[in-house]
Amino acid sequence: DAMVIQNPRYQVTQFGKPVTLSCSQTLNHNVMYWYQQKSSQAPKLLFHYYDKDFNNEADTPDNFQSRRPNTSFCFLDIRSPGLGDAAMYLCATSSLLRMNDSPLHFGNGTRLTVT
Amino acid sequence: RKEVEQDPGPFNVPEGATVAFNCTYSNSASQSFFWYRQDCRKEPKLLMSVYSSGNEDGRFTAQLNRASQYISLLIRDSKLSDSATYLCVVRAGGTSYGKLTFGQGTILTVHP
Repeated sequence: DAMVIQNPRYQVTQFGKPVTLSCSQTLNHNVMYWYQQKSSQAPKLLFHYYDKDFNNEADTPDNFQSRRPNTSFCFLDIRSPGLGDAAMYLCATSSLLRMNDSPLHFGNGTRLTVT
Repeated sequence: RKEVEQDPGPFNVPEGATVAFNCTYSNSASQSFFWYRQDCRKEPKLLMSVYSSGNEDGRFTAQLNRASQYISLLIRDSKLSDSATYLCVVRAGGTSYGKLTFGQGTILTVHP
């Protein structure tokens, strides 16, 4: 009964080879987030969608793109992965209809390895 | 100054001990506050929201001090299973609605 589902759990890609990570949700939440988490570091926000409104963090590299074709799905595209992009990628959702106390609901993450 | 700061620890405590973590935030317009727990190589899971009046959930108590811009988490009667990283999360207000920023996490190890 997982509510935020990320696929795949583990992804191996080659240096420079484009890769897409996917996230789907059954919560009907209007906000979806992508976080990058490297070992022993806090999750770092890459971007988020408020409905279809895309919000990019200022320090997110151009190499990272995102698509949200509908409420339920969100994709993270890494156009030319480098060794430094190896990390856990976490998708999360929240409902800003109850803004003040709506926490994040995380998927179980995709661990990306770049060879 | 980081937006959200935590003492990374590690905190090593015996079973049954009481332990407290603090977290400071820089944006006075921050609206919502949460504590998350993260086990090794797993996703963060919500431990509790933090309300203005303070709130308690079993052995866990959270407090918010808006004047000093910090939140705290108190764990009483620590269990081995409490060993994890505890992440403080703050939701921005104003024009940055929706953005949640994580502290770097505090590592807790509870030993027999």
